[in-house]
Amino acid sequence: QLQLQESGPGLVKPSETLSLTCTVSGGSISSSSYYWGWIRQPPGKGLEWIGSIYYSGSTYYNPSLKSRVTISVDTSKNQFSLKLSSVTAADTAVYYCARLHKLSDAFDIWGQGTMVTVSS
Amino acid sequence: QSVLTQPPSVSAAPGQKVTISCSGSSSNIGNNYVSWYQQLPGTAPKLLIYDNNKRPSGIPDRFSGSKSGTSATLGITGLQTGDEADYYCGTWDSSLSAHVVFGGGTKLTVL
Repeated sequence: QLQLQESGPGLVKPSETLSLTCTVSGGSISSSSYYWGWIRQPPGKGLEWIGSIYYSGSTYYNPSLKSRVTISVDTSKNQFSLKLSSVTAADTAVYYCARLHKLSDAFDIWGQGTMVTVSS
Repeated sequence: QSVLTQPPSVSAAPGQKVTISCSGSSSNIGNNYVSWYQQLPGTAPKLLIYDNNKRPSGIPDRFSGSKSGTSATLGITGLQTGDEADYYCGTWDSSLSAHVVFGGGTKLTVL
């Protein structure tokens, strides 16, 4: 049973860089059938896709966040990571990592999510 | 303002049927598969429907999906109190910068 687990600081100061890692267990991140993605959800609001990465390193980013986002993959550790720079209070959210099926563009497996608060 | 438009809320009585709409455009729903997600309070979203109308293993056939043109619909029959949740549609948008888009979400209340 494939599982995803987010990890990283729960509190980040304004203007600093938010860094999260998603560890994939029970399966390989190097599967050719899937992308791996980050989605966030501000308190009381809807889902916002941040970006996705293929095991080869190919990336797609949300145009509204592209200038501040970097997603990378480490196949040796079966992990992928998110970096979001110059954060503000508007970046406070639950951050989810998820597996994205390449053909159907559906996120079929999600991590439990991790709350990140931006505050001094 | 989400690219995909959903009603903020819907409600129905236990045992009844409800539909949730998701409206988009030719750059997203019109030319790509639609998926639907259920988010129970305090939990991560869960995939309910993919490829417009397919159900992952373990999802009961009370849940159904359809697509016509630039709109998609999620249907839930035999409503149960446990179906109270937020529901989101999602798809790929093939505009200038290809990216994933979600609807704003619909809160289902089972009266």
